Amino acid sequence: QSVLTQPPSASGTPGQRVPISCSGSSSNIGSNTVNWYQQVPGTAPKLLIYSNNQRPSGVPDRFSGSKSGTSASLAISGLQSEDEADYYCAAWDDSLNAWVFGGGTKLTVL
Amino acid sequence: EVQLVQSGAEVKKPGESLKISCKGSGYSFTSYWIGWVRQMPGKGLEWMGIIYPGDSDTRYSPSFQGQVTISADKSISTAYLQWSSLQASDTAMYYCARHRGSSRAGYFDYWGQGTLLTVSS
Repeated sequence: QSVLTQPPSASGTPGQRVPISCSGSSSNIGSNTVNWYQQVPGTAPKLLIYSNNQRPSGVPDRFSGSKSGTSASLAISGLQSEDEADYYCAAWDDSLNAWVFGGGTKLTVL
Repeated sequence: EVQLVQSGAEVKKPGESLKISCKGSGYSFTSYWIGWVRQMPGKGLEWMGIIYPGDSDTRYSPSFQGQVTISADKSISTAYLQWSSLQASDTAMYYCARHRGSSRAGYFDYWGQGTLLTVSS
């Protein structure tokens, strides 16, 4: 059971906008910034969003992040087939003194 | 170019010991924390611990404290993850990743390619 809760799956058709939620608590998302990682099957995770809503260089602006209270969200607009991957949220947890991840959301492009 | 290159896949027997490595290049290795993350087959990401190669300050996830040892040799820009007695449940992919920023507002910005560990009798 992951400390951060994500839906196990999400899907959309090319061009659509797909949101992925991440729910936590006051000791993690409620107190600290949220990061998102993309993992294409068979490859290492890649930083997608950091500090709630910042994109590293090279990440398309189709990807956006937001945070409100103890929840965060990743939105992918203009969905493309190459976006098919697993997406993980992460945050520092002050109570556990540990980085915690969501269980991951598998995104399927129909 | 920042790179983290991990050692190759391992097949071990229960009870054996193992040390896997993660070599950093393209940046000041002693200035950034290096974390280790486990991914069991078909499962999600789990943070194991982190080390600051500059002074070898090491922190462990409560879930992994006492189960593994994290170390670093700054002279060769390499971090290590070590087991003294492997179990079948250690079968997983292990990633190293560079940490940037503070613990509460930081993130893992570069990742190694992963080391696949299989423990089987």
